[in-house]
Amino acid sequence: SQQGEEDPQALSIQEGENATMNCSYKTSINNLQWYRQNSGRGLVHLILIRSNEREKHSGRLRVTLDTSKKSSSLLITASRAADTASYFCATVTTGANNLFFGTGTRLTVIP
Amino acid sequence: DGGITQSPKYLFRKEGQNVTLSCEQNLNHDAMYWYRQDPGQGLRLIYYSQIVNDFQKGDIAEGYSVSREKKESFPLTVTSAQKNPTAFYLCASSPRIVRDEKLFFGSGTQLSVL
Repeated sequence: SQQGEEDPQALSIQEGENATMNCSYKTSINNLQWYRQNSGRGLVHLILIRSNEREKHSGRLRVTLDTSKKSSSLLITASRAADTASYFCATVTTGANNLFFGTGTRLTVIP
Repeated sequence: DGGITQSPKYLFRKEGQNVTLSCEQNLNHDAMYWYRQDPGQGLRLIYYSQIVNDFQKGDIAEGYSVSREKKESFPLTVTSAQKNPTAFYLCASSPRIVRDEKLFFGSGTQLSVL
């Protein structure tokens, strides 16, 4: 399967703490994207990082990409209760036209 | 407001019945997608369309059918051949077929079998 795998599957932290989620994938990629899903809702795009980029920031989000290890991490700083959601990585493999989604990390931020 | 509208939000299917899920977008996007999500799982691609009157099978197309007669619309039919249809179905679109494009998602349809 070309699907990525997130780690951990579930994460519970206190409000104000940082949350780190990891994503591993199997094949060479064109880019990697992170999405957020609130329970029972659609996904919302958070950030896209290209294969020639190593780090990207967007507000409280920081994404890193290590193509040699075929892995990416998403860091959410100073978490809030409203950050409670599932987070998915998705990859566009080289030569493909589609996104392959990982299995997700369920983040719970306790007020 | 621009966006993607999926309907209905909840749908029930009887044994042997075909049901159709609606997906409409007013973002003027060329590409549209259907994904299936099972509980606690990631998304799996059912079908995608790059342009009107064209569509391609994804990873799990068996038991499903689609049409793309208008740019704005990409309905998904879950046929009686799909033996395990209970899942959350998500429609998405992007300006072009995705490479460096992000996907815009609808709010989903939960399909259950009676």
